[in-house]
Amino acid sequence: DIQVTQSPSSLSASVGERVTITCRTSQTVDRYLSWYQQKPGKAPRLLIYGASSLQSGVPSRFSGSGSGTHYTLTISTVQLDDFATYYCQQSYTTPTFGQGTRLEF
Amino acid sequence: QVQLQESGPRLLKPSESLSLTCTISGGSIGTYYWGWIRQAPGKGLEWIGFIYKSGSSNYNPSLKSRVALSISTSRNQFSLRLSAVTAADTAFYYCARVGYIASRPSFFDNWGQGTLVTVSS
Repeated sequence: DIQVTQSPSSLSASVGERVTITCRTSQTVDRYLSWYQQKPGKAPRLLIYGASSLQSGVPSRFSGSGSGTHYTLTISTVQLDDFATYYCQQSYTTPTFGQGTRLEF
Repeated sequence: QVQLQESGPRLLKPSESLSLTCTISGGSIGTYYWGWIRQAPGKGLEWIGFIYKSGSSNYNPSLKSRVALSISTSRNQFSLRLSAVTAADTAFYYCARVGYIASRPSFFDNWGQGTLVTVSS
């Protein structure tokens, strides 16, 4: 299995800040990398697929980049609605998720 | 907008089988893969498997010996069966539609609200 490691595991930010979350994989996933947002008691929501494609309806302040084994999710200007847990997921082989990054106020 | 809804028993005893059904509304089975993901309370996400309308399926190797997925285009539903459950199978179970990248099922773009299944004696 490809191991997926997110960093940091938690992150404190203020409204208006720029935030970056990193996802590293144990071998290349060739941009088969997606990002999800999950709020307490809710199902995850797809934000980014294919490393950098923005899912329909997702605000443009979210962006993804990366290649090979190193990927990032960036929120350009954090809003109150963005405080949540974020997961990356690779699908190059058997799908696996990162352990999550909690974005806190 | 496609909507997904999980249904099935929410309390099981150890060694019983978990059976959940996902009903699709606002769309059809079509040419998508459909999948299941679970999340133990307070923990991360774990992919269980996905299935195509033909019945072709892929499973998480760690669960493969206990998992079976099925699909019904006429009922617009797909189902999960997990046998010989233990307390470790207690989790929120989500059904989801699977999106493609270069013809490879890759990401989960529509999710059900999830259902908590508890395994306890």
